[in-house]
Amino acid sequence: KNQVEQSPQSLIILEGKNCTLQCNYTVSPFSNLRWYKQDTGRGPVSLTIMTFSENTKSNGRYTATLDADTKQSSLHITASQLSDSASYICVVTIIGTYKYIFGTGTRLKVLA
Amino acid sequence: SAVISQKPSRDICQRGTSLTIQCQVDSQVTMMFWYRQQPGQSLTLIATANQGSEATYESGFVIDKFPISRPNLTFSTLTVSNMSPEDSSIYLCSVDSTRGKNIQYFGAGTRLSVL
Repeated sequence: KNQVEQSPQSLIILEGKNCTLQCNYTVSPFSNLRWYKQDTGRGPVSLTIMTFSENTKSNGRYTATLDADTKQSSLHITASQLSDSASYICVVTIIGTYKYIFGTGTRLKVLA
Repeated sequence: SAVISQKPSRDICQRGTSLTIQCQVDSQVTMMFWYRQQPGQSLTLIATANQGSEATYESGFVIDKFPISRPNLTFSTLTVSNMSPEDSSIYLCSVDSTRGKNIQYFGAGTRLSVL
C-alpha cells in the first residue's frame, strides 16, 4: 500500500534552534518527493522537490535530504524563526501519474 | 508561479444544502485538482478536472455528491451537495505548474462548517 508517514506528529522548539522532521514512504514506483509548508488557514506552499537521483536540496534555511534506498527523507530547519510555525507536509508522487500521496504532516511551533 | 483565487474562503451552511466553491487560476492549466483536508488530517484527493471532459473521481468520492465543472483552462468549481456535518472540512483547489517545473500550487482553501 502506498503510504507516507511523518514524525514527529508535533514539535515545539525555541526560536533560533534547529530541528529535523522525518518522512518515511512506501510509495512505488517513486517519481519525486516534495516538502510543503502549510500555514494555518492557507494552502500548502512548496519548499523543495527531489527526484530519485537527488539526495539533498536546499531552500534558504530549509534543507531536505532523500535516501531512495531506505525510502526516507528529512527536512532540516536551521535557525528557526517564529514564522516557521506551520505544518510541514511530505508528499510523494507516483511516476507517470498525477497521484500525490500526502503525509499527515508535522505541526511545528516555534516559541520566542 | 501560478496564483490561485479560491472563493469563498469560509462558509457555514445548513444540513441538506449545497455549496459551490470557485477556483480561478491566473494562467491556463490542463489539470486542476480538488482536495479535502479534514481537521488534523492530511490532504485527500477528491477528483482531477480536465477541461472539456468529465472529472475523474477518487475512490470514495462520487459525482452526485461532488459535481465538478471545468468550463475553461483557468476556472473550475466544486459543489458539495446535500451537505451533512461530516462534510465539514477544508476544500482546496490545486494546479500543477506549467513550464516543466513540476511544482504544485494550492489555493488558500475554503473552510466549510456544516451545522
